[in-house]
Amino acid sequence: SQKIEQNSEALNIQEGKTATLTCNYTNYSPAYLQWYRQDPGRGPVFLLLIRENEKEKRKERLKVTFDTTLKQSLFHITASQPADSATYLCALSGANNLFFGTGTRLTVIP
Amino acid sequence: DAGVTQSPTHLIKTRGQHVTLRCSPISGHKSVSWYQQVLGQGPQFIFQYYEKEERGRGNFPDRFSARQFPNYSSELNVNALLLGDSALYLCASSWGQGALRSYEQYFGPGTRLTVT
Repeated sequence: SQKIEQNSEALNIQEGKTATLTCNYTNYSPAYLQWYRQDPGRGPVFLLLIRENEKEKRKERLKVTFDTTLKQSLFHITASQPADSATYLCALSGANNLFFGTGTRLTVIP
Repeated sequence: DAGVTQSPTHLIKTRGQHVTLRCSPISGHKSVSWYQQVLGQGPQFIFQYYEKEERGRGNFPDRFSARQFPNYSSELNVNALLLGDSALYLCASSWGQGALRSYEQYFGPGTRLTVT
């Protein structure tokens, strides 16, 4: 079955720096990969979707890359702010569902 | 516009009892999915419904069942509750036509179920 690993459970970063989160997957070839943000006690919020034929996607301070050869996606937040502190989930698209990783908890230190 | 709504927000049940969780999708969305999220883990897929038909089912026992109504709202039912069923239950809607692969999911705030 598919396996999704996000690089670390927690990541601390200084305000203003670029945060880089990693999502690796095995035993699967998704057509789409998505990134979500989740705050404590809340449902995930969609951030970005990238297709298998796209190398990179940007939205404001967010950038996602998708390398289907390495089976890896990188999620970058530039000029990070304390308000970016949350858990970030990567999700692979299935035929009729999403497979989520366990998430990386990002803390941006002022 | 209202987002995905879920009720109740919190629920405490005893082992062996039955529970019904409710979800209303975003207006215009015909697809509803249910996920279970245990503390410290990512959401795990339980069911997907589109146009009132089950289109997908995750690796959950038959104690879990769901249905979708003509107004596209949905219910998740869990029978014979176990301690391990304690989790945040998330409902998500999308306008995708059955296959979720192309479309982002819009999640509700979840129902926190505690089984004692």
